[in-house]
Amino acid sequence: QVTLQQSGPGLVKPSQTLSLTCAISGDSVSSTSVAWNWIRQSPSRGLEWLGRTYYRSKWYNDYGVSVKSRMTINPDTSKNQFSLQLNSVTPEDTALYYCVRERPLGGAFDPWGQGTLVTVSA
Amino acid sequence: QSVLTQPPSASGTPGQRVTISCSGSNSNIGSNTVTWYQQLPGTAPKLLIYSNDQRPSGVPARFSASLSGTSASLAISGLQPEDEADYYCASRDDSLNGDVLFGGGTKLTVL
Repeated sequence: QVTLQQSGPGLVKPSQTLSLTCAISGDSVSSTSVAWNWIRQSPSRGLEWLGRTYYRSKWYNDYGVSVKSRMTINPDTSKNQFSLQLNSVTPEDTALYYCVRERPLGGAFDPWGQGTLVTVSA
Repeated sequence: QSVLTQPPSASGTPGQRVTISCSGSNSNIGSNTVTWYQQLPGTAPKLLIYSNDQRPSGVPARFSASLSGTSASLAISGLQPEDEADYYCASRDDSLNGDVLFGGGTKLTVL
């Protein structure tokens, strides 16, 4: 059974960097058949895909067009986890952030982490 | 406003069959697979349907889905009180560099 455990601060000041980590159990961040994603959810923007990292002989990253210039996802093979960094945050980035595995079944997201509510406020 | 359009709400009584639609375009549903997710109150979304119409193990057979052109539908037959939740469709969009899009969600109420 695969589980994802998220960690990171729930409050970030405007213009600073939002950082979250997702620890993986029951699978490997280096698996060549899945991808590791970040998705957020807010009342104003709904569910929004942010990006992913995956390994296929080398590491690849894809980022959503809305956050591409501010977003970095890094895998950590030594700890079997991956992280999210979102720079220059504004109150618009306030949301519930999820880490999610993408299965090789039509891009299905399963499972999801427990979610981390991040508030951007001074 | 989401590019994948879902009705904001739906309802039915126990035992009824309800359907939830998801309308897209050629660049998303018309050329990529659709997945459906169920989100119970206070929990993370859960995979319900993948590859347009496939149920993961553990998902009851009363959940089914179909695809027609640039629209997808989720059907729930034999509605049960525990089906009260938000339902989301999702698909990649080729015009957005392959970004995954989600529908705005449909809140299903079991009367």
